[in-house]
Amino acid sequence: ETGVTQSPTHLIKTRGQQVTLRCSSQSGHNTVSWYQQALGQGPQFIFQYYREEENGRGNFPPRFSGLQFPNYSSELNVNALELDDSALYLCASSPGTRAIRSTDTQYFGPGTRLTVL
Amino acid sequence: DAKTTQPNSMESNEEEPVHLPCNHSTISGTDYIHWYRQLPSQGPEYVIHGLTSNVNNRMASLAIAEDRKSSTLILHRATLRDAAVYYCILRRGAGSYQLTFGKGTKLSVIP
Repeated sequence: ETGVTQSPTHLIKTRGQQVTLRCSSQSGHNTVSWYQQALGQGPQFIFQYYREEENGRGNFPPRFSGLQFPNYSSELNVNALELDDSALYLCASSPGTRAIRSTDTQYFGPGTRLTVL
Repeated sequence: DAKTTQPNSMESNEEEPVHLPCNHSTISGTDYIHWYRQLPSQGPEYVIHGLTSNVNNRMASLAIAEDRKSSTLILHRATLRDAAVYYCILRRGAGSYQLTFGKGTKLSVIP
């Protein structure tokens, strides 16, 4: 069973640029969530996708957008990068349904470290 | 989601038991208590969860107070591999899409 994978591992961009991060969910999982983790902080929820539709969103501006594909892999896109976007971006998959259950376990990938200069 | 309070850091000797506390005084009746941990340079990983009764699995035990306003994650014999940040998270009954992380407790294990 393959776990959650993310690419790239590290990325350096300059302010104002756009970035796309990728995530392959664990086999059999149809729900993907994205989190942002600043240095020294806990992860913060960005949004979640269930079967190619956004299923919930945290307090992030519209320049953070995403996609989920028919094979349940996912992309996180960030436009007009700002210095504060420098963080570890984590993807998590779960075997969810639209009515997300409180007992659902999320399985995290290793993350992509984004540095904005 | 309701808020949790954890100590910033704790230390333990290797092969000793570790009790990691979490306060959640505003917990509601349908909130599940989840614990995740994050090892250095890795994403978080699930440890255990419970609602009212104490729970055991191969990784840890979860002791939940009778009034559910606090809980304790118990590692029975700490190893160096258990050095991580431990997060206590409450998840509401229906429609709780996300995990709401606090800053967690950084556990150091001393050889």
